[in-house]
Amino acid sequence: DAKTTQPNSMESNEEEPVHLPCNHSTISGTDYIHWYRQLPSQGPEYVIHGLTSNVNNRMASLAIAEDRKSSTLILHRATLRDAAVYYCILRTSYGNKLVFGAGTILRVKS
Amino acid sequence: DVKVTQSSRYLVKRTGEKVFLECVQDMDHENMFWYRQDPGLGLRLIYFSYDVKMKEKGDIPEGYSVSREKKERFSLILESASTNQTSMYLCASSFAARGGNQPQHFGDGTRLSIL
Repeated sequence: DAKTTQPNSMESNEEEPVHLPCNHSTISGTDYIHWYRQLPSQGPEYVIHGLTSNVNNRMASLAIAEDRKSSTLILHRATLRDAAVYYCILRTSYGNKLVFGAGTILRVKS
Repeated sequence: DVKVTQSSRYLVKRTGEKVFLECVQDMDHENMFWYRQDPGLGLRLIYFSYDVKMKEKGDIPEGYSVSREKKERFSLILESASTNQTSMYLCASSFAARGGNQPQHFGDGTRLSIL
């Protein structure tokens, strides 16, 4: 599985946008970029995924660089409930398992 | 919304016991997965199933078995529980992977302690 690199932690103020970066320089042409988050004492939660184009859903936006070597998860207005560990994961075209790295711990201040 | 339900949030068992962890999903997903999550090791895949009565080993299957008799239900079995199986166990499900485009949906986990 191709490797992703994320900052260990980030901090945001409540109601401000948050940009969570992810580097994946060894991504292959058929790898999808997935984001999950894990709130304390809960299982991981699917957030968003994309291949080449930017994606939006009710939870977040995903901005993918033109060369696909990096991506950014955007939370438009952070709330205290968004405090979690955020994981950037590459899904291969043939693999079934998810390979979670250490992720980014997001802290949201009121 | 997808619902993946694990039978217990917390479970305490004794060494040598046979332990059953149950998982049910309500979205008619073909694929179901069992992971365990340990501090510093992240999530590791134990087993997954891509159809009823079908299963494949993940990265750490030793000491575990699984059962999938119905599409919506996937059970993880610890044949003879040991203390090193104390962990958070997570069940997930998804539609059949088509080019990596299918997200997995997780339950809230079972925190299992083996004494």
